[in-house]
Amino acid sequence: NAGVMQNPRHLVRRRGQEARLRCSPMKGHSHVYWYRQLPEEGLKFMVYLQKENIIDESGMPKERFSAEFPKEGPSILRIQQVVRGDSAAYFCASSPQTGRTEAFFGQGTRLTVV
Amino acid sequence: QQQVKQSPQSLIVQKGGISIINCAYENTAFDYFPWYQQFPGKGPALLIAIRPDVSEKKEGRFTISFNKSAKQFSLHIMDSQPGDSATYFCAASKGTDKLIFGTGTRLQVFP
Repeated sequence: NAGVMQNPRHLVRRRGQEARLRCSPMKGHSHVYWYRQLPEEGLKFMVYLQKENIIDESGMPKERFSAEFPKEGPSILRIQQVVRGDSAAYFCASSPQTGRTEAFFGQGTRLTVV
Repeated sequence: QQQVKQSPQSLIVQKGGISIINCAYENTAFDYFPWYQQFPGKGPALLIAIRPDVSEKKEGRFTISFNKSAKQFSLHIMDSQPGDSATYFCAASKGTDKLIFGTGTRLQVFP
């Protein structure tokens, strides 16, 4: 059973470009969570999604950030018009359909904005 | 009320010693308390977790102690090994809600 898959592992974007981060949850998991980790800091919640629904987006910046988890395919975290402050590691976690918060994390996408 | 406070920020332990990391929470609605281990450049890995109906859970060299009345929980690593050197995060959540993470403890185990 493959773990949570995130790609790309590393992403470099120039200021003003768009960044698209993908997350495929573990098989059988229908809950996806995105977290952001700044260097030498803890993980900050961004958004919680189930298939085709955003459940909690209280951690998402109001502008430039969006997330989706379509019926088919991976969850996508999109950052438009990136700025240097968006440079961070973005982690996706998934939980089983039973809704237990036993969340398993992917290896992350390290975004660098130059 | 959503915070989870973690201490110490860093910890140095000799091989074979006991590593102890503490966390405190405020929200009494939290019902799930996991610990994650993270190596540099990697994602957090679930280490061990506890629910508030038990006061202690042990898995190998790792033990969670949970004090519901004090709203505190701790991770004990017995017989610490250099391979345990990593950053450890406590977390808390309610139901399927998001995990609220502590700020992390960087553990270094010297031979």
